[in-house]
Amino acid sequence: EVQLVQSGAQVKKPGESLKISCKGSGYSFTTYWIGWVRQMPGKGLEWMGLIYPGDSATRYSPSFQGQVTISADKSISTAYLQWSSLKASDTAMYYCARTPDCTDGVCGFDYWGQGTLVTVSS
Amino acid sequence: DIQMTQSPSTLSASVGDRVTITCRASQSIRPWLAWYQQKPGKAPKFLIYKASSLETGVPSRFSGGGSGTEFTLTISSLQPDDFATYYCQQYNSYPWTFGQGTKVEIK
Repeated sequence: EVQLVQSGAQVKKPGESLKISCKGSGYSFTTYWIGWVRQMPGKGLEWMGLIYPGDSATRYSPSFQGQVTISADKSISTAYLQWSSLKASDTAMYYCARTPDCTDGVCGFDYWGQGTLVTVSS
Repeated sequence: DIQMTQSPSTLSASVGDRVTITCRASQSIRPWLAWYQQKPGKAPKFLIYKASSLETGVPSRFSGGGSGTEFTLTISSLQPDDFATYYCQQYNSYPWTFGQGTKVEIK
C-alpha cells in the first residue's frame, strides 16, 4: 500500500528555522516525484515545487524559490521542506504528494500525505 | 505562470443533480489537466488526469472533458459524498498551478 506519512504539527516563532518531512513507503521512492503544496487557512491549494529523489532534481514555483528548500534522502525514502527563517505568513497546512514522471501525460498528485500544520506566531 | 480560473466559486445543488464545473487556463495547456476533490480537514483526492482519464477507483459519475484552454468536471448525479471543494491543476509547464477551487454545497 502506497503511503506518505508526514511529520507532526509544529509551532514556531518568527525567525526560527524548520524542516518538515514526508516518508514514502509501498512504492519505489526514487522513481516518482514528490511535490509540496501549501494551503493557508481557509484558502486554496498552492503548488510549491517538486523533487525527484532518484537524482534530487528540483522544480520550484517562483513564488517559493528562495523562500524554502526542498530536499530528499533516498536512503530513507524521505523528502523534506525547510525554512531558514519563518514568517507569520508561513502559517499553513503543508502537504506532500506523489506524482509519476508524467510519461504519456499520466501525471498529477495521486497519493497525498496527511498534512503538516505549521503555525508561526510570536 | 499559467493562471487557472474556475467557475463558479460556489455551487449549490441537490442530491441527484447533474453539476458541471469549468476551469479555464490563461494559455493552452493541451490536455494536461488534473482534477482533485478536497473535504474539510482532509488531504485532496486525485480524481482525473489528462483532462478526461478517471483515476482508478473514482466513481464513473465523475467525468472530465476539454482541451486547450477550457475544461469541465461533471458529476452526473450528485451524491451526498460529493459535497466538497474541487480544484483543477495544470501540468503543462512549470510552475504547475491550481485553480482557486469550487465549493459544491447542499442546496
